[in-house]
Amino acid sequence: EPEVTQTPSHQVTQMGQEVILRCVPISNHLYFYWYRQILGQKVEFLVSFYNNEISEKSEIFDDQFSVERPDGSNFTLKIRSTKLEDSAMYFCASRPGTEAFFGQGTRLTVV
Amino acid sequence: RKEVEQDPGPFNVPEGATVAFNCTYSNSASQSFFWYRQDCRKEPKLLMSVYSSGNEDGRFTAQLNRASQYISLLIRDSKLSDSATYLCVVKRNQAGTALIFGKGTTLSVSS
Repeated sequence: EPEVTQTPSHQVTQMGQEVILRCVPISNHLYFYWYRQILGQKVEFLVSFYNNEISEKSEIFDDQFSVERPDGSNFTLKIRSTKLEDSAMYFCASRPGTEAFFGQGTRLTVV
Repeated sequence: RKEVEQDPGPFNVPEGATVAFNCTYSNSASQSFFWYRQDCRKEPKLLMSVYSSGNEDGRFTAQLNRASQYISLLIRDSKLSDSATYLCVVKRNQAGTALIFGKGTTLSVSS
């Protein structure tokens, strides 16, 4: 069964460093998402991406965040200058139409 | 008012019990509704979509009341493996693509 894959599974970074989280959505899916979940809190929408551009973003998704689909298969989330409060689980998701499927997540720890 | 609200629980039930979860949403333009399941520190997994006519998948029944902006999930004959957090998810409208998550309701099934 096709699945969304994310790498790395765990990333530790120093405050102020840039990180890139990677995702390979399910092929032939049209919509791609990034979500985050701070420990003990709800899953929060960051950004959606359709037809090679951002279709919607939340207030969390400020200038330190960016997304890219560099080669038609990968979908990346870049955090330019990480803060302690960026520590969270980051989930990528994709959907063909209505239902979204999530990757296993990248646990980002900022120290 | 939060966009998607759920009773956080926890619901502690014995095996074989029937348990019901409720969810309310604030945006009357919301179009699509889902229940996801999340195990501890794992990705959300789609349990079922929720249709206006109600739908059933084995032991699970989901219902939608658009007039009251209310969604429910009923689990019959609970199994130990049903222990998880159940997330109510709403897609805002046809134009918007964001899936908005409730904080989740925790279920613990004991033998």
